[in-house]
Amino acid sequence: QQQVKQSPQSLIVQKGGISIINCAYENTAFDYFPWYQQFPGKGPALLIAIRPDVSEKKEGRFTISFNKSAKQFSLHIMDSQPGDSATYFCAASMYSGGGADGLTFGKGTHLIIQP
Amino acid sequence: DAGITQSPRHKVTETGTPVTLRCHQTENHRYMYWYRQDPGHGLRLIHYSYGVKDTDKGEVSDGYSVSRSKTEDFLLTLESATSSQTSVYFCAISESNRGRSTGELFFGEGSRLTVL
Repeated sequence: QQQVKQSPQSLIVQKGGISIINCAYENTAFDYFPWYQQFPGKGPALLIAIRPDVSEKKEGRFTISFNKSAKQFSLHIMDSQPGDSATYFCAASMYSGGGADGLTFGKGTHLIIQP
Repeated sequence: DAGITQSPRHKVTETGTPVTLRCHQTENHRYMYWYRQDPGHGLRLIHYSYGVKDTDKGEVSDGYSVSRSKTEDFLLTLESATSSQTSVYFCAISESNRGRSTGELFFGEGSRLTVL
């Protein structure tokens, strides 16, 4: 049973456009929702994260929108650049429970920004 | 970059042979994790550790064992490798805050394992 569903699987966006990746979760005990960025041959790296006490978090061109009632969260990349081309993973964990058992990841979105 | 070193980075082995992957950290973080990454499946947790000699199973633990005899080292062992264990394996570490994981994971560069 997949607890975090991510879409789309792949995405092509023109340079300067907005990239949007969506995730939905099932476990209402999740209370920490990070996004990771991964370049080929590298490990995933934390991009931005949100906790459910806020509905939006922005860091530079990256924004997480969070809808607790719908159990959904999304990543928006504004003014997308070719350097943003990577695989993006959403994830979730029970931070308040210590988070010791790690993150549950979505299956990833392969993003290509065309120049 | 977080001080995480995985070894070997690449390995080709044959079905039925034992394999051990090593994760070494210099951050003195309490929590360590092993994930595998496969196309179409994302990252799946194999085993994790919350202290020396304290380990637990993750989502896909069958066929894998782990050991942590020192804070800095977390070993993943495939007792008898199978072709289905061909994958890229990532180690991750997490800080603790008042005894709990912060939830933020730092990943190593990965170990690519091919089982023929």
